[in-house]
Amino acid sequence: QKEVEQDPGPLSVPEGAIVSLNCTYSNSAFQYFMWYRQYSRKGPELLMYTYSSGNKEDGRFTAQVDKSSKYISLFIRDSQPSDSATYLCAMSEPGGSNYKLTFGKGTLLTVNP
Amino acid sequence: DSGVTQTPKHLITATGQRVTLRCSPRSGDLSVYWYQQSLDQGLQFLIQYYNGEERAKGNILERFSAQQFPDLHSELNLSSLELGDSALYFCASSGGAADGYTFGSGTRLTVV
Repeated sequence: QKEVEQDPGPLSVPEGAIVSLNCTYSNSAFQYFMWYRQYSRKGPELLMYTYSSGNKEDGRFTAQVDKSSKYISLFIRDSQPSDSATYLCAMSEPGGSNYKLTFGKGTLLTVNP
Repeated sequence: DSGVTQTPKHLITATGQRVTLRCSPRSGDLSVYWYQQSLDQGLQFLIQYYNGEERAKGNILERFSAQQFPDLHSELNLSSLELGDSALYFCASSGGAADGYTFGSGTRLTVV
C-alpha cells in the first residue's frame, strides 16, 4: 500500500462548480498536510497548509483533515477556468528542519468555461 | 518568481552522458530538496541537504549524486544517463516544517 493515495482523475467540471479533491494516507505519523497546485510544465506552488484535524479556509479554497480516517480533502468553490491544473496533496512527519514531503500522484482538474 | 532558481530549464543529452543540474534556494532557506517527476511515478523524493550536509535520501540511484555548497546552492549530478532518466527534476527549498516547500520551475531532462 502506498503511503499516500490520490485519485488521478482526470476531473472535468463546468465553471462555477464545487470541486472536491481527496487523498488518503497510511502513515499515522503524518502531522503536516498541504495542497499544491501545478500548472503544466511549471513547479508546484503551495496552496493550502494545515497542521491539525479540522477545516481551514482561504478564499474559495477549503482544506479539510480527518486524522482519525487518515483522509484529507480540498474543496474549491465557484471554480474558474484558471483553476485548471494538477492538484497534489502532500504530507510530512514532524521533523523541524529535516522533513520530507510525501506527495500523492496528483489529480488533473479541468474547469470548462 | 518563487525565489528558487533552477538552471538549465531544458537539457537534451545522449545516453551514457553526465549532466549537472543547479539550484539556488530561496534567500534564508537552509534546506534543499531534489525531486524527480515523471508521468507514471509522480513526484519522487531523491535527496535532502541542510546547510551543506546530507540529511535524507530517497529513491536516488547510485548513478546520481548531489551536494550543497557553502553559499547554499545545490547541484544534482546525473551520470551514465539512460532513456528512463528523462523527467522533470525539481529543486525545492524550505526554512522549516511550518513553511512548506517552495519549488523552482524545474529542469526538463530529455535523454535520447
